[in-house]
Amino acid sequence: TQLLEQSPQFLSIQEGENLTVYCNSSSVFSSLQWYRQEPGEGPVLLVTVVTGGEVKKLKRLTFQFGDARKDSSLHITAAQPGDTGLYLCAGGTYSGAGSYQLTFGKGTKLSVIP
Amino acid sequence: NAGVTQTPKFQVLKTGQSMTLQCAQDMNHNSMYWYRQDPGMGLRLIYYSASEGTTDKGEVPNGYNVSRLNKREFSLRLESAAPSQTSVYFCAGRQSPNTGELFFGEGSRLTVL
Repeated sequence: TQLLEQSPQFLSIQEGENLTVYCNSSSVFSSLQWYRQEPGEGPVLLVTVVTGGEVKKLKRLTFQFGDARKDSSLHITAAQPGDTGLYLCAGGTYSGAGSYQLTFGKGTKLSVIP
Repeated sequence: NAGVTQTPKFQVLKTGQSMTLQCAQDMNHNSMYWYRQDPGMGLRLIYYSASEGTTDKGEVPNGYNVSRLNKREFSLRLESAAPSQTSVYFCAGRQSPNTGELFFGEGSRLTVL
């Protein structure tokens, strides 16, 4: 069973601050996805990274996939209250039967205080 | 566009009762999934259907059964509910079973007393 450890578990910051969320594993993943979930809703995909060392930017959000494809980070610049939510990373691997499976981390709950 | 629709959104059961969670998607997804989300545990896969006519166990299948009724619909049944099955359940769909984004429903909050 592949495990994804996310840190920190909880993060409360002031509007305008920067933050980084980490997603680490001892396993290698074919791809790494980041989702954001708001209360009472299902997770929504933010980004998928597939190449070791890959960096993707989505406005104020920067995602990086580790060179060895075992870890990833999400950096938010100048956080806004609208960034509040649960951030989930999910690692993708192919099973022995050839199907693609996603393993989710436990999430980082971010609160941005105005 | 409805996307992925789950019913009911809320349900309270007594121990031993049965119920079925319904999921329907209008996004032409080939693969469909049922997850449960518990505080501090993240999302855990219960069952999935890689394509119409197939179903497979995920990480936590005990106490559940599924039916892929057709391409659009994938239901999750609890035959004899237990308090440990109190959770928020999410249905999700994906175009291809081998890559790509999961589209989630809004969730069904189940309480078993």
